[in-house]
Amino acid sequence: AQTVTQSQPEMSVQEAETVTLSCTYDTSESDYYLFWYKQPPSRQMILVIRQEAYKQQNATENRFSVNFQKAAKSFSLKISDSQLGDAAMYFCAYRTNRDDKIIFGKGTRLHILP
Amino acid sequence: ETGVTQTPRHLVMGMTNKKSLKCEQHLGHNAMYWYKQSAKKPLELMFVYNFKEQTENNSVPSRFSPECPNSSHLFLHLHTLQPEDSALYLCASSQDLDYTDTQYFGPGTRLTVL
Repeated sequence: AQTVTQSQPEMSVQEAETVTLSCTYDTSESDYYLFWYKQPPSRQMILVIRQEAYKQQNATENRFSVNFQKAAKSFSLKISDSQLGDAAMYFCAYRTNRDDKIIFGKGTRLHILP
Repeated sequence: ETGVTQTPRHLVMGMTNKKSLKCEQHLGHNAMYWYKQSAKKPLELMFVYNFKEQTENNSVPSRFSPECPNSSHLFLHLHTLQPEDSALYLCASSQDLDYTDTQYFGPGTRLTVL
């Protein structure tokens, strides 16, 4: 079965510190995209960062970067210099070229401590 | 307005009521999606439309009835719902159905079934 596992239901980090959210996934496909989505409280879910499975170089978007380990099927998100606005639910997800659906994890709730 | 909008934002209904959720996207996209988000569960894809045609029905009960009159609008008609249908219903859109296309989400409708 296609699954995404986020083993940390909740995490906290001090403002300005760095935090890493873990994600593992399971697919037999070789061609897929991986995503991290952010859902702030009562606000829209937005894409934070994405990674194509064929690219070895880890994606980076400003303070957000990923550690993509294809063989281990691991896709962690690192947030540097955490800010209060980073507080949200973070969802890891992937989509293969054979499917219309994105497979989501259950999410990690990130708290930022001032 | 820009992006993906959803109305109403909150809805409380009895099990015998009939109501509709509305989604509108202003991004010129061709594909639209309905998701169900329940606490402590991954997002569940319900329906997918591409160029107004339904391409996926993810084993959703018939008490949920989607309608897509054009590529910009998507409705979810609700009737004789059950309390376990209470959840956040998210609409999303993407340029097309290609797995490389980013999905853009609306703010959701928080549905409570009494």
